[in-house]
Amino acid sequence: QITLKESGPTLVQPTQTLTLTCTFSGFSLNIPGVGVGWIRQPPGEALEWLALIYGDDDKRYKSSLRGRLTITKDTSKNQVVLKMTNMNPVDTGTYFCAYKTMAVSEVRFDPWGQGTLVTVSS
Amino acid sequence: NFMLTQPHSVSESPGRTVTISCTRSSGNIVNNYVQWYQQRPGSAPTTVIYQDHQRPSGVPDRFSGSIDSSSNSASLTISGLKIEDEAAYYCQSYDSSNVIFGGGTRLTVL
Repeated sequence: QITLKESGPTLVQPTQTLTLTCTFSGFSLNIPGVGVGWIRQPPGEALEWLALIYGDDDKRYKSSLRGRLTITKDTSKNQVVLKMTNMNPVDTGTYFCAYKTMAVSEVRFDPWGQGTLVTVSS
Repeated sequence: NFMLTQPHSVSESPGRTVTISCTRSSGNIVNNYVQWYQQRPGSAPTTVIYQDHQRPSGVPDRFSGSIDSSSNSASLTISGLKIEDEAAYYCQSYDSSNVIFGGGTRLTVL
């Protein structure tokens, strides 16, 4: 059974860097095709993909946020870390990590973590 | 980057059928699989359709997905609507560099 859980601060000040950790179990993040993605959702708004890291350490970022995002993995700890710099109140929302299924020919997220709410405010 | 456009909201009565569209702005919709996620308030999304029309185990066959190349769109159809189907539904696809979610459709069953 695959599970994921997000952890990190619930409150971040403007201009600070957000660091979120996704701790997972049930798979190994060193298999080609397998990946972990980060998706966020502002309150009452739509889902927005942020970043994806593959088992071969290939990384993808949302183009409009590329300069602010860094995704890394630690396979020994079964963790994926997302860093987002220069946080702004518009970055407030629930941040989800999710398992990218193994099939190389698709990008699908299932299952997802429960999400963690991050508020950006001074 | 391409966009996926969904209607903001739809409503239908229990027992009826509803179809939610998802139109891709550029690039051929048949080139990359489309997924559909259901999200209830306060919960994480779950997959109801993957690879355009496949249903995960546990998802009732009242849910179906399709692709229309002529309109460059995907559709999610829910038949025999139940109150429990009331939720937000998101389509999702990708290309070589990006993962894109639609803006979501709020389904009201009343």
